[in-house]
Amino acid sequence: AQSVTQPDIHITVSEGASLELRCNYSYGATPYLFWYVQSPGQGLQLLLKYFSGDTLVQGIKGFEAEFKRSQSSFNLRKPSVHWSDAAEYFCAVARPRSGGYNKLIFGAGTRLAVHP
Amino acid sequence: GAVVSQHPSWVICKSGTSVKIECRSLDFQATTMFWYRQFPKQSLMLMATSNEGSKATYEQGVEKDKFLINHASLTLSTLTVTSAHPEDSSFYICSARDQGVSSYEQYFGPGTRLTVT
Repeated sequence: AQSVTQPDIHITVSEGASLELRCNYSYGATPYLFWYVQSPGQGLQLLLKYFSGDTLVQGIKGFEAEFKRSQSSFNLRKPSVHWSDAAEYFCAVARPRSGGYNKLIFGAGTRLAVHP
Repeated sequence: GAVVSQHPSWVICKSGTSVKIECRSLDFQATTMFWYRQFPKQSLMLMATSNEGSKATYEQGVEKDKFLINHASLTLSTLTVTSAHPEDSSFYICSARDQGVSSYEQYFGPGTRLTVT
């Protein structure tokens, strides 16, 4: 069965510092990979996704993620964190399927706090 | 674009009553909508997949008679929690897939906080 692990429940960084949020997945092949951000009172917003191709993916709000097949990882990074980045971050996977959808499986989430 | 709304944003009900939650895609048509449940400090768990004009597909362990889902139009899906009990208290989130975009692009609503007393 597919599963997603986000080892860090809570991370605190200083504004302007770099950030890396970890995500590992368990799946027999390469799944589709996603990072979402959840802010209070707002729906989950897609930051970026990986389907195939270049393993370094650029997303919105200055985020990027790198897919590493050998490590079954899809870590999210940002070079300089802003106070507005404080939120809950979810990694998710989906089974590739031609012409149709398969369900998203989410990790437990990482709550990011940003110190001024 | 690609906005999904939910109503209400929060609701408190008494044990034994039923509660209906609406999920609307405001600026796109969604043939498929999804309902998730999120417990505090935990991940989102898919409850069911709702397809317009047909019966919802429920995930294993989700009681379809308790969580009634109706997807009567391309912009509206409803989740009714019947005979609610305190253990049904949770954060319910819907998402919708824009039928004109990638199969895996889902747009999420802001969620509905249900408290059963």
